[in-house]
Amino acid sequence: AQKVTQAQTEISVVEKEDVTLDCVYETRDTTYYLFWYKQPPSGELVFLIRRNSFDEQNEISGRYSWNFQKSTSSFNFTITASQVVDSAVYFCALSETNRDDKIIFGKGTRLHILP
Amino acid sequence: DGGITQSPKYLFRKEGQNVTLSCEQNLNHDAMYWYRQDPGQGLRLIYYSQIVNDFQKGDIAEGYSVSREKKESFPLTVTSAQKNPTAFYLCASSPFGGHQPQHFGDGTRLSIL
Repeated sequence: AQKVTQAQTEISVVEKEDVTLDCVYETRDTTYYLFWYKQPPSGELVFLIRRNSFDEQNEISGRYSWNFQKSTSSFNFTITASQVVDSAVYFCALSETNRDDKIIFGKGTRLHILP
Repeated sequence: DGGITQSPKYLFRKEGQNVTLSCEQNLNHDAMYWYRQDPGQGLRLIYYSQIVNDFQKGDIAEGYSVSREKKESFPLTVTSAQKNPTAFYLCASSPFGGHQPQHFGDGTRLSIL
């Protein structure tokens, strides 16, 4: 069973629009960690955020915000006032406490910001 | 600057040939990882190492081999047994323990001639 589901394969929005990338995860652990990474066209993955399962506070960093809801096993990512430089593939990921710090990645959402 | 260096950026393999992808880090991280990325498939773990001279298979280790003789280096060999090696390969490292974020290299794109 897929442990991290990013149902949106590809999204296109016009610049300055807000966009939300969905992430649903599955785990039996009570302690776990969730991540978001950005992969620009150059290829390397850039770390954006880590959230542990005991901290359900929403986080905001500039134009980026994250909504973590344990009740729905979701960790969604919103970009406000999108810019062309936000165009990338975004990965949601899960690390469970019984898996040696290994990270399980979703299949990613390719985001196109149109000028 | 601290970081992870992967080389080469592009690599071509002939049928029946083994090739080695290099990964070096100067972040003083204990753990290192190799991932394979195929279009629409996300990242899949090939091998990982939490300490020098020790490594474990990931989800798709068949046809690959690794070594970890130095803390800074974690080379990946794609053997001739790997029948579909064309992919983008990413190396990562992290401090061991505490589920810390992984830091990634720029990747190596391997193609078959």
